[in-house]
Amino acid sequence: DTAVSQTPKYLVTQMGNDKSIKCEQNLGHDTMYWYKQDSKKFLKIMFSYNNKELIINETVPNRFSPKSPDKAHLNLHINSLELGDSAVYFCASSRFLVREGGETQYFGPGTRLLVL
Amino acid sequence: AQTVTQSQPEMSVQEAETVTLSCTYDTSESNYYLFWYKQPPSRQMILVIRQEAYKQQNATENRFSVNFQKAAKSFSLKISDSQLGDTAMYFCAFMKQDTGTASKLTFGTGTRLQVTL
Repeated sequence: DTAVSQTPKYLVTQMGNDKSIKCEQNLGHDTMYWYKQDSKKFLKIMFSYNNKELIINETVPNRFSPKSPDKAHLNLHINSLELGDSAVYFCASSRFLVREGGETQYFGPGTRLLVL
Repeated sequence: AQTVTQSQPEMSVQEAETVTLSCTYDTSESNYYLFWYKQPPSRQMILVIRQEAYKQQNATENRFSVNFQKAAKSFSLKISDSQLGDTAMYFCAFMKQDTGTASKLTFGTGTRLQVTL
């Protein structure tokens, strides 16, 4: 009964390839996020979706394309992988309360991507 | 833009002792939320504690408590009776109150805590 799950956990691939990471949450949350953790452990938001609609899109290369088929799933597709894309990618989810905001985000286990 | 600073890259504490991790932040917002997340070697990001800026009372969760000083923009985490399982990277994070839209977490650079026997 994992709350936020990601597949795969590890991904090793060659430069130039295209890969996808999948995320699913069973918490009934409306909002999902992608964060990137670099080699120095720094975490930064990439995208956020609310009810399948893109809300946050930080300055991320357009080789990264998130897709949300429904509010329980948020996938991340990466085209033409580069060495600098090597990182841990975390999916997270939260409720969405219009009046209050500030909902706690719950994270998945992360996907470690290594580009060779 | 908000920034979060964790000035202690690494800390060590003996089992059963108390340790305090520092966090300061910079913002012009008046309504916001602060969080501490823990990342053990398993890599999972685990929520430790959360504080609403409009609440004067410091948040507490079992052995974990915060010292929230809004005027000083300081949000330290105190871990009492440290346990080996507390060994992890600890991240302080800021979220502004964005009603009507999703809010992002802005993280500090983390403090690596080692609990020793």
